[in-house]
Amino acid sequence: AQKITQTQPGMFVQEKEAVTLDCTYDTSDQSYGLFWYKQPSSGEMIFLIYQGSYDEQNATEGRYSLNFQKARKSANLVISASQLGDSAMYFCAMREAFYNQGGKLIFGQGTELSVKP
Amino acid sequence: KAGVTQTPRYLIKTRGQQVTLSCSPISGHRSVSWYQQTPGQGLQFLFEYFSETQRNKGNFPGRFSGRQFSNSRSEMNVSTLELGDSALYLCASSLDNWYNEQFFGPGTRLTVL
Repeated sequence: AQKITQTQPGMFVQEKEAVTLDCTYDTSDQSYGLFWYKQPSSGEMIFLIYQGSYDEQNATEGRYSLNFQKARKSANLVISASQLGDSAMYFCAMREAFYNQGGKLIFGQGTELSVKP
Repeated sequence: KAGVTQTPRYLIKTRGQQVTLSCSPISGHRSVSWYQQTPGQGLQFLFEYFSETQRNKGNFPGRFSGRQFSNSRSEMNVSTLELGDSALYLCASSLDNWYNEQFFGPGTRLTVL
């Protein structure tokens, strides 16, 4: 069954330090995509980074990188040099290709990140 | 390029009423998906429309329905509202492939009294 697990309900990090947000997933599909989104208190979901199941290299987007370990089914988000504006909820999500799953994203429960000055 | 827009942003209804939410996708995006977000259940997929056809459906009762127009704009309707329908309803649009990211609108916050 498709499932995303985020085991850290809340995390604190000091400003300018790096932080890793954990995500594990379960799927029987060979083709899938993993996404990370940020949701500030305003409610809008902001796309951060994407990793495809066939991508051999870890994805990076600015201060965001994805530590993808396919055999372990994990896709952890690493935020380098944390900023106060990084305080938000972070969601890991998966989208499968099988049967043309199209727009269906499966989300984890989220991790609330607080950046301390 | 304009982002995904949703109207209205806030809505207060009473039990038993019905409501219609609207979503305008990013230009060129033909896939529109809807999600419900609640503190208890988190983010749950409602349905997806592509080229005016429902392509995927989540596990929600038939009171939740939607449609998509020829310009890719989408509406979702909830009939016979229940207290538990109070939630943030998010709409997202994307290009057609499973590896394309979805871009979300600001959401409609529905409160059912």
